[in-house]
Amino acid sequence: ETGVTQTPRHLVMGMTNKKSLKCEQHLGHNAMYWYKQSAKKPLELMFVYNFKEQTENNSVPSRFSPECPNSSHLFLHLHTLQPEDSALYLCASSQDRSGSRFLYFGPGTRLTVL
Amino acid sequence: DQQVKQNSPSLSVQEGRISILNCDYTNSMFDYFLWYKKYPAEGPTFLISISSIKDKNEDGRFTVFLNKSAKHLSLHIVPSQPGDSAVYFCAALWPGNQFYFGTGTSLTVIP
Repeated sequence: ETGVTQTPRHLVMGMTNKKSLKCEQHLGHNAMYWYKQSAKKPLELMFVYNFKEQTENNSVPSRFSPECPNSSHLFLHLHTLQPEDSALYLCASSQDRSGSRFLYFGPGTRLTVL
Repeated sequence: DQQVKQNSPSLSVQEGRISILNCDYTNSMFDYFLWYKKYPAEGPTFLISISSIKDKNEDGRFTVFLNKSAKHLSLHIVPSQPGDSAVYFCAALWPGNQFYFGTGTSLTVIP
């Protein structure tokens, strides 16, 4: 595997379910990000991890819970989501948080909340 | 408030002609600008960038122009090819490396 991978690629869940999104980067980067892409909206930054430490949380509801066990893996745990949370969730990585001008994105997980 | 705006959600261009995608920003503190390209079922990939100290950067068929006084960025693709059909995102970067993205423009190149 190369680049940034995400699983699953598609997820349908009910509002009472608990699920997790997984991201893995094979680029040796130290910063990882979760973005949300909704229709007709800009990409919204949700969380940033730099050297496994969470450095940013952009006022994301607590029903989204990130986890970064090491610099290569990032998870987004989901519980009691709302239909308006349906979106494309993109993981990205960069060399580190402060010095890099380039983000490398994964293919995304298309989430549908029923 | 949206700091990076792409006011055209879609654009159709004939193959071989020029495609011009536009982007406006509001904050003069942005010092670096990027274009990302996204195919369906794939993540955005970096296409071309420009520093705020320049007004033009060219890479093959792709040229990005920056007009700082107008806070306007444009991407020119010439000649356009069917494989260029994708969604193009404009992004602007704070000195502290916070990325701000536009809403994207869906380009269709008609063979």
